[in-house]
Amino acid sequence: AQSVTQPDIHITVSEGASLELRCNYSYGATPYLFWYVQSPGQGLQLLLKYFSGDTLVQGIKGFEAEFKRSQSSFNLRKPSVHWSDAAEYFCAVGPNYGQNFVFGPGTRLSVLP
Amino acid sequence: ETGVTQSPTHLIKTRGQQVTLRCSSQSGHNTVSWYQQALGQGPQFIFQYYREEENGRGNFPPRFSGLQFPNYSSELNVNALELDDSALYLCASSRTGGGNTIYFGEGSWLTVV
Repeated sequence: AQSVTQPDIHITVSEGASLELRCNYSYGATPYLFWYVQSPGQGLQLLLKYFSGDTLVQGIKGFEAEFKRSQSSFNLRKPSVHWSDAAEYFCAVGPNYGQNFVFGPGTRLSVLP
Repeated sequence: ETGVTQSPTHLIKTRGQQVTLRCSSQSGHNTVSWYQQALGQGPQFIFQYYREEENGRGNFPPRFSGLQFPNYSSELNVNALELDDSALYLCASSRTGGGNTIYFGEGSWLTVV
């Protein structure tokens, strides 16, 4: 069965601190992996994606993620968090064709001043 | 700006009624999908349309139906509304050869009372 787990429901960090959001997936084929961010009352914005190649991918807003096949993980990182990063973050896995993505339950990020 | 627009942004319906949600994607995006996001959860795949035909469906009953039009717009119809249908409904689109990256609209908030 295809699934995505995000073990942390809510994370609080101080502004300027580093951040790592965890994502683990279960997928029967080669996974296409994504991280999306959702601000309150908004749609989903794509942060970054991994299809193949270099396992460390760079995204927008200073985010990066590392694909580790042996651990079935795709963790999101940022070296220095800004107050504007407070939002809900979703990890997703999808096929190489089609839009039937499976999303994780999300991790809510709060940023302390 | 993803080029995907949805309407209406908010609406309230009574249990048992029917609702139609609309989505307009950008030119060249010939694949559209709809997701349901209940409060506090990740989005769940409802179905996908390609060239005006449904070609993928998630675990949703037949009272969830859709249409895709030649002008890249689409509709989600839900009949016999139930209280549990209250959610944010997200439209997503992608273009062929786009590396299977999907772009989301801002969503339509549906409240069933």
